[in-house]
Amino acid sequence: DAGITQSPRHKVTETGTPVTLRCHQTENHRYMYWYRQDPGHGLRLIHYSYGVKDTDKGEVSDGYSVSRSKTEDFLLTLESATSSQTSVYFCAISDGGLANYGYTFGSGTRLTVV
Amino acid sequence: QQQVKQSPQSLIVQKGGISIINCAYENTAFDYFPWYQQFPGKGPALLIAIRPDVSEKKEGRFTISFNKSAKQFSLHIMDSQPGDSATYFCAASSGNQGGKLIFGQGTELSVKP
Repeated sequence: DAGITQSPRHKVTETGTPVTLRCHQTENHRYMYWYRQDPGHGLRLIHYSYGVKDTDKGEVSDGYSVSRSKTEDFLLTLESATSSQTSVYFCAISDGGLANYGYTFGSGTRLTVV
Repeated sequence: QQQVKQSPQSLIVQKGGISIINCAYENTAFDYFPWYQQFPGKGPALLIAIRPDVSEKKEGRFTISFNKSAKQFSLHIMDSQPGDSATYFCAASSGNQGGKLIFGQGTELSVKP
């Protein structure tokens, strides 16, 4: 999607290893979000950021950490990957203005933990 | 109270028919209700959105109906086309909660030719 890039697009990793997913935006949006998508659960918020070095937990944050050292980059780290973290991960950005809460999503990262 | 419940989980409609997807919420602080469309291998994309000060919003073949008292809203796709086959998510957010979107479980729509 224009203005937002996720990397890698696919990754297979072993249980217990750390994994970092990257989200990069060129829109200079203040808000960035990490969601995971699983069948029957829709999209669930993991962590979000409302500015550089300002982050907070979402509803499924256990086992995940995030960092945002620059406006354009939001990193999601699985500290010790487990099979339950096999999922498709989406990053989203928003300018957060009162007139527009719309998100722009990246194309996703499909993560498989074996 | 933070949940948004979406139904049905899957829907099959004939070409030219009307597709209807329903969502319900509990949190009365929600003030923004978007619908997202997702094609396989892609991220969700904003389709249409409504705020609670209106009961209906129409954009082309897509209409949101909003019932504030029942805390329900629905997406109607008129004259459904095979190209509409996708997964649809309803969502809700509140400005008081930082605008974080809470998503429904998703509906997989298949429009048969």
